[in-house]
Amino acid sequence: DGGITQSPKYLFRKEGQNVTLSCEQNLNHDAMYWYRQDPGQGLRLIYYSQIVNDFQKGDIAEGYSVSREKKESFPLTVTSAQKNPTAFYLCASSSAVSSGGYTFGSGTRLTVV
Amino acid sequence: SQQGEEDPQALSIQEGENATMNCSYKTSINNLQWYRQNSGRGLVHLILIRSNEREKHSGRLRVTLDTSKKSSSLLITASRAADTASYFCATDRTGGGADGLTFGKGTHLIIQP
Repeated sequence: DGGITQSPKYLFRKEGQNVTLSCEQNLNHDAMYWYRQDPGQGLRLIYYSQIVNDFQKGDIAEGYSVSREKKESFPLTVTSAQKNPTAFYLCASSSAVSSGGYTFGSGTRLTVV
Repeated sequence: SQQGEEDPQALSIQEGENATMNCSYKTSINNLQWYRQNSGRGLVHLILIRSNEREKHSGRLRVTLDTSKKSSSLLITASRAADTASYFCATDRTGGGADGLTFGKGTHLIIQP
């Protein structure tokens, strides 16, 4: 079945450490996105990529980094510079030629301990 | 910045009743989408309505769009317990959504059995 896989589902990080969240899709979608969701809040866009080897900052990119070396993969690194990293992180993808919406992964819950 | 704002923030109804949620947005859009999120999960795309459409149906869902008022509504008819979830509207930032969607804070819908 086609879809988006995020791993791990739960992640604990000590303050001062960088962590990388994985996002893989087998939908052959060109565009991929990372969103952050805080309790009771909507989603805020961190980074997005419309094509391999290219990505753009979203609304809250500070303290995060991404790469897009393969069409299928769009990992997100939460760096020690991110002041409040505890949140639910969602990865999504979309097709440039489709009139449908985004397909989301099941999310990674990151907790700083 | 959050473009869409859902209303109400929370809604509790009896099973079998209809549920109506509203979304207001601020700037011009190409399309508006509705998503559902079950607790702790990723978002699921429900329906997309284009700016030149006024109403769209999908199963028990009915979406309306009024671009003059910059508002949309989502109607779920004959609600079921499984409809309990948060519902988000999302608008394209620019260019149809390839550079990310902007989400509201959502309406939390509870269906009482």
